[in-house]
Amino acid sequence: AQSVAQPEDQVNVAEGNPLTVKCTYSVSGNPYLFWYVQYPNRGLQFLLKYITGDNLVKGSYGFEAEFNKSQTSFHLKKPSALVSDSALYFCAVSGNTGGFKTIFGAGTRLFVKA
Amino acid sequence: GAVVSQHPSRVICKSGTSVKIECRSLDFQATTMFWYRQFPKQSLMLMATSNEGSKATYEQGVEKDKFLINHASLTLSTLTVTSAHPEDSSFYICSARDYGGENTEAFFGQGTRLTVV
Repeated sequence: AQSVAQPEDQVNVAEGNPLTVKCTYSVSGNPYLFWYVQYPNRGLQFLLKYITGDNLVKGSYGFEAEFNKSQTSFHLKKPSALVSDSALYFCAVSGNTGGFKTIFGAGTRLFVKA
Repeated sequence: GAVVSQHPSRVICKSGTSVKIECRSLDFQATTMFWYRQFPKQSLMLMATSNEGSKATYEQGVEKDKFLINHASLTLSTLTVTSAHPEDSSFYICSARDYGGENTEAFFGQGTRLTVV
C-alpha cells in the first residue's frame, strides 16, 4: 500500500528565510509525487509534481521540491519565504493503485512571520 | 489548469435530512472523480472513487448507503449525504483528473462546508 508521511505538524520561518517542508513516501513501483497548498476554507491548489526526469522540480509561486529516491523523500522548498506563503501544505502520492487515487499526507501548517 | 467546480460551498441542514453536493469538471472530461472528507486541522480522507457509468468504489469504513455517489456523466459527480447527523458535519472536497491518467495532477473543487444541526 502506498503512504505519505509529513513528520512536522507545523513549520515556523521568518520572512525572507528559506523554508523546507518535509515529506517521505512509501510506494511500490515508480512514485508520482505532488505538493498541494490549501488556504482556509478552500480546496487544494496544485503546486508541483514529480513524475520522472530531473530530481529538482520547480513549481508555482517560487516553490521547488527535490525527489530523493534513496531517502524516499520529496521535500518542498523555497529560497525566500513570504508571509503570504502561510498555509497548509499537503504532500501526496498517486499511481499504482486502482482508479489512480491520490493519497495525502497529514499536512504541515506553515507560518511565515514578518 | 483545469477547473473543477463544487456546489454548494456551504450548506446547513437539519438532522435527518439529505444533502446533495455536486462536483463538475468544467473544461475537461473526468471518467474518475474522488470524494474526500476533511476534519478540522486534519488531512484529507479519501471516501470513495467515483467512476462514470459504474458504481463508486468506497474506502474501508465509509458507509456506501449513507454517502451515495452518482457519476452519471463525464463532467458531473454527486455526493448525497443521506439522513445526515451532526457527526457528518465536515468539509467535503471533490477532485478530478484530466483524462491523461495517473501521472497527472488532480484538480480540486472549492470544497463544501456541511453543518448538520
